[in-house]
Amino acid sequence: QKEVEQDPGPLSVPEGAIVSLNCTYSNSAFQYFMWYRQYSRKGPELLMYTYSSGNKEDGRFTAQVDKSSKYISLFIRDSQPSDSATYLCAITTDSWGKLQFGAGTQVVVTP
Amino acid sequence: GAVVSQHPSRVICKSGTSVKIECRSLDFQATTMFWYRQFPKQSLMLMATSNEGSKATYEQGVEKDKFLINHASLTLSTLTVTSAHPEDSSFYICSARTVETEAFFGQGTRLTVV
Repeated sequence: QKEVEQDPGPLSVPEGAIVSLNCTYSNSAFQYFMWYRQYSRKGPELLMYTYSSGNKEDGRFTAQVDKSSKYISLFIRDSQPSDSATYLCAITTDSWGKLQFGAGTQVVVTP
Repeated sequence: GAVVSQHPSRVICKSGTSVKIECRSLDFQATTMFWYRQFPKQSLMLMATSNEGSKATYEQGVEKDKFLINHASLTLSTLTVTSAHPEDSSFYICSARTVETEAFFGQGTRLTVV
């Protein structure tokens, strides 16, 4: 079993819709949770970083963590075509240490 | 955010030759650098972790004699793929961090071995 499970998609949504992404993980020792955005043939860029269970908002992005269920989510409101990318969840046991990545979900926002 | 530069962005080499990929932190001193490999439509797989001035720590299943990592300074780490074969063709990405900051990623290097 992989340590981090993420549906690879693709996930296609119309412009303006809410994009909902999620990952599950197996090891309760994981304490830090990140979401990265990766455009084609580029390196990942950090979108959200959370530590505790609950919600964290940053503009159009909301990250949710449910440690009891080992489930993390990312929501993108008012999606734009420029949001089309692959979104990867990443988790780690220590802050900014070795990251375990999910497979990444490809998101396509159509105009 | 901080800038991490990888060079080259893409390289094609013949089977059996060696290829060196550079990872530089341009505006900060990186105490730790990570090297990842990413196959098409798959996630990033950590290959090794390197701290400046010490030997790299390789993940299980990664051949350290094949993937040579050197972290000679606080701003430069290199990955050398020795005796490359077609199955080594992949997207290689580095990331760099300080003790206090997040890990910033380079733009990746696409290696094709023919």
